[in-house]
Formats: sequence, structure tokens, C-alpha cells
Amino acid sequence: GAVVSQHPSWVICKSGTSVKIECRSLDFQATTMFWYRQFPKQSLMLMATSNEGSKATYEQGVEKDKFLINHASLTLSTLTVTSAHPEDSSFYICSARDSGTYQPQHFGDGTRLSIL
Amino acid sequence: GQQLNQSPQSMFIQEGEDVSMNCTSSSIFNTWLWYKQDPGEGPVLLIALYKAGELTSNGRLTAQFGITRKDSFLNISASIPSDVGIYFCAGQPAGGTSYGKLTFGQGTILTVHP
Repeated sequence: GAVVSQHPSWVICKSGTSVKIECRSLDFQATTMFWYRQFPKQSLMLMATSNEGSKATYEQGVEKDKFLINHASLTLSTLTVTSAHPEDSSFYICSARDSGTYQPQHFGDGTRLSIL
Repeated sequence: GQQLNQSPQSMFIQEGEDVSMNCTSSSIFNTWLWYKQDPGEGPVLLIALYKAGELTSNGRLTAQFGITRKDSFLNISASIPSDVGIYFCAGQPAGGTSYGKLTFGQGTILTVHP
């Protein structure tokens, strides 16, 4: 149980384009999803917290107009990197947690984004 | 903000050896989690700890939630080559605006020589 699917796993695109990444909880309803960014050989950096049916909460320093987050259902959250540039290239990972006090975050397999 | 100090940063061990890593925090956490991440993949949950003093095992892995709620350790016994990867501790605060968020340690890179 507690499977989180992230798609695509790898994307290369030209500078200036927008890229959408999907995060789905396959066997549970995720009231909260999280989006992280990870640089090589570093830990995970939280970008934003996404709650179903409400606006995402962004961490300090994360541009909300650059990284659009939508959490339209209890099983799907999307991250759109708008007008992507080479400095946006990174490994993006989502996680999801079920409702309840003692529910850990379960992670997707990540998306490797490369902007040329 | 909150920070977790995870040590060691890296370990090079022989197959069959035991491994120990730990995390300490300057503030209290309500939950401690241990994840393993393989290259190019997302972290996978190994052990979740919810109560101070709790000692939990998952196969060859054992983790404990420190009594002070500011630390946790993970032990791996009789390591095998597939244990290779990066291990992260993560703490979750009790409540407030940070409820549900995780603070991650810097990671421990484990290399196991056959």
C-alpha cells in the first residue's frame, strides 16, 4: 500500500517552455501533498505544501508564479514549471500523506527535469 | 528554521558489517522517519517512529526515537550490497504552521564493499 506515482520520470525541453509534472496517490486519498526539489548530492528541499481544494503554501524563496501547483482531487497534484530556464533544471519529487495524525509521507520516484 | 544534524555523512563498510547512523535536532519532533534513496529515485520509507523511546525493527533495520524527542538513530545489521544508497532521517513537528512538514537530515551515503 501507500504507492505514489509521479509522471513523467524524465523530461528534456527547450528554455521558455512550461512543463507539468503529475503526482498521484494510487491506493489512498492524500489530503496533503508536498513538492520537493533536490540538487545533486544534497538533501530534499521543500518547495510547497499542497492541500486538496485550496491554494498551495509556498516556502520562503520559492516563486509561486514560476512553480504553479494545483491539487484538484484527493489523488492528484500537479506542479507546472512555467517558462522554464536552465537554472530550473533539477530533480523534483512529490510526496503524499493520508489524513490522520500518524501518517508518514510517501514519495514518488521523482522527475528529472533538464532545460536546454 | 529547524535543522537536523545527520552523521556520518558517508560510510564505507564491508559486507556483513553493522552500520549505525544518527540524527540530532535543536528542537523537539513528534515523529521521526527514516528513508532510503537510490540514485534517480524517490526516498522509500524504512521505519516510522511516533513515540519517545520507541524502538522499532524492520528486518535487519532497527531505529529508535530518542527520549528527549530531539534525536534518533538507525542501525543496519549484517549489511549486504543492496543496502547501498543514501539514508535520510526526517522529523515532523507536533503542530502549528509546520504540521505535516518534514525537516530532513543531510543524508548518509552508504557504500558496501562485497
